[in-house]
Amino acid sequence: DQQVKQNSPSLSVQEGRISILNCDYTNSMFDYFLWYKKYPAEGPTFLISISSIKDKNEDGRFTVFLNKSAKHLSLHIVPSQPGDSAVYFCAASQDTGKLIFGQGTTLQVKP
Amino acid sequence: DTGVSQDPRHKITKRGQNVTFRCDPISEHNRLYWYRQTLGQGPEFLTYFQNEAQLEKSRLLSDRFSAERPKGSFSTLEIQRTEQGDSAMYLCASSPRGPSSYNEQFFGPGTRLTVL
Repeated sequence: DQQVKQNSPSLSVQEGRISILNCDYTNSMFDYFLWYKKYPAEGPTFLISISSIKDKNEDGRFTVFLNKSAKHLSLHIVPSQPGDSAVYFCAASQDTGKLIFGQGTTLQVKP
Repeated sequence: DTGVSQDPRHKITKRGQNVTFRCDPISEHNRLYWYRQTLGQGPEFLTYFQNEAQLEKSRLLSDRFSAERPKGSFSTLEIQRTEQGDSAMYLCASSPRGPSSYNEQFFGPGTRLTVL
């Protein structure tokens, strides 16, 4: 039972344009959501997070939006840069803080 | 202290052998997590420590798996009688004190296990 889903395995955008990565979840008890970026042969690196009591959180070029009624969150990267090319994971948390991850979306930003 | 470290980075073993991995969390982080990641999937939760107490174990963690954090600092994950299905990246993460749900976890580089 996949509680967190990223339905797009890959995304390709042009440098300078906006990248939008999507994530859906099924468990309404999740109260904290995070996005991680992962390069090959490295562990995931924390990017940005949002509490379930908010609907938007912004940090520089990265903005996360949360739609609780739709059980959907998205990560916007603008402007996209070639160095943003990586695998992006969304994750959800409740109670103990253990993270439930989606399958990941591979982002390619073309120069 | 620059981050979470894991040792070894790579391990190749034969089926049936035992392996042990080590994780050193960020200093003063009292929570430590183990995850497993297979190709094309996100990390899957295995187990979680708060200080030296193991508070939760996933059903993914069979009897062949055991984890310890004896002094509330570093942790070890041992797999006994390895099987080919154990081949994966084993990730360790730590997080600081605070409301348990609201802490970002900082991941190490992982240990890649290959069982032949």
